Amino acid sequence: QKEVEQNSGPLSVPEGAIASLNCTYSDRGSQSFFWYRQYSGKSPELIMSIYSNGDKEDGRFTAQLNKASQYVSLLIRDSQPSDSATYLCAVNKSGGSNYKLTFGKGTLLTVNP
Amino acid sequence: DTEVTQTPKHLVMGMTNKKSLKCEQHMGHRAMYWYKQKAKKPPELMFVYSYEKLSINESVPSRFSPECPNSSLLNLHLHALQPEDSALYLCASSQGMLAGGGDTQYFGPGTRLTVL
Repeated sequence: QKEVEQNSGPLSVPEGAIASLNCTYSDRGSQSFFWYRQYSGKSPELIMSIYSNGDKEDGRFTAQLNKASQYVSLLIRDSQPSDSATYLCAVNKSGGSNYKLTFGKGTLLTVNP
Repeated sequence: DTEVTQTPKHLVMGMTNKKSLKCEQHMGHRAMYWYKQKAKKPPELMFVYSYEKLSINESVPSRFSPECPNSSLLNLHLHALQPEDSALYLCASSQGMLAGGGDTQYFGPGTRLTVL
């Protein structure tokens, strides 16, 4: 099992819809979880961080964490064409350096006008 | 302000050249990182400096040489690179938590490196 898994996509949604991006991780002791957005040719931009079970909302973005299921998701409400990008899930594993993030391969999201 | 700056934005170099990439942050962060990213792949960690000391070297070839002159600056010296080293080189910084949960990393815009 890969350490951090994401569906590579592409995930295609119509403008105004909810986009749901999923990520699973293998290390049950992982403590910190991050979602980055990366436009083609640009650098990753932090969207959300989440540390506790439950939901965390920031504007149109909601991160959801379920440590029992080893699952973290990102919901984007009212999707806009400008949300079209690759979304990277990153996890900080337990027992190792606080500085090492394990990235998923990313999910390509396309929002169609 | 969560800005990390990198220069140059683009760099083309021959296999015999010596060049340097520069990264700067003024957020008071004490951890700084170099990543390499190839097309359609996630970033790969190369080096981590924590409190100006090299903390992690992910078995990077010696043709890449990092340097942290002070807490705000991070350099990556390049020498005798190969064409397969062509990639987007990303710098990141974080507060530098010595214990506890993961430290939020903020990325700079990157340097697009082409080795001929």
